[in-house]
Amino acid sequence: QKEVEQNSGPLSVPEGAIASLNCTYSDRGSQSFFWYRQYSGKSPELIMSIYSNGDKEDGRFTAQLNKASQYVSLLIRDSQPSDSATYLCAVGYGGATNKLIFGTGTLLAVQP
Amino acid sequence: DVKVTQSSRYLVKRTGEKVFLECVQDMDHENMFWYRQDPGLGLRLIYFSYDVKMKEKGDIPEGYSVSREKKERFSLILESASTNQTSMYLCASGGNGQGYEQYFGPGTRLTVT
Repeated sequence: QKEVEQNSGPLSVPEGAIASLNCTYSDRGSQSFFWYRQYSGKSPELIMSIYSNGDKEDGRFTAQLNKASQYVSLLIRDSQPSDSATYLCAVGYGGATNKLIFGTGTLLAVQP
Repeated sequence: DVKVTQSSRYLVKRTGEKVFLECVQDMDHENMFWYRQDPGLGLRLIYFSYDVKMKEKGDIPEGYSVSREKKERFSLILESASTNQTSMYLCASGGNGQGYEQYFGPGTRLTVT
């Protein structure tokens, strides 16, 4: 059974701080990893994708991947109240399918 | 920008009714997906399609069927709606290749009474 695990939170950080969101996955064959942001009552929005070990930066967001430890994380620098949302980690299956497994998400609350 | 649209944002149906949810994407993606999202259970895959007229069951296909007659359109059908199918239904589309990126529509919140 392929699984993606996230702490449900809430993770509370003050405005301007770094928020660190973590995710572990069970399938060693997985090659693609994604972070989605979901505001309450809205659909998930893709914000980051990462395929290789190491860091990938995009604006205030940094995704980190460690395949040996089966661990992927998302750092949000200079957190803003508008970043308050649920962050979903998603992992692509190994092989030819294009299916994703989603974690249940971490609720982030940025306090002004 | 990828655009995925869904036929309704909110829908209220009675038990036993046949329900159609439609999804349209404008990016010429091969793959389309239907998920439902419930509190505490996350996103669960109902069905997906990798080509016109092709479909595969996801993790929770019972009580659902799908249709993909055109590349841009993927429909989810609840043959006889039940109260346990009250949920948020999300359609996504994505291309082939390593990326596996999926882009979601706005969702349909279905209530079955």
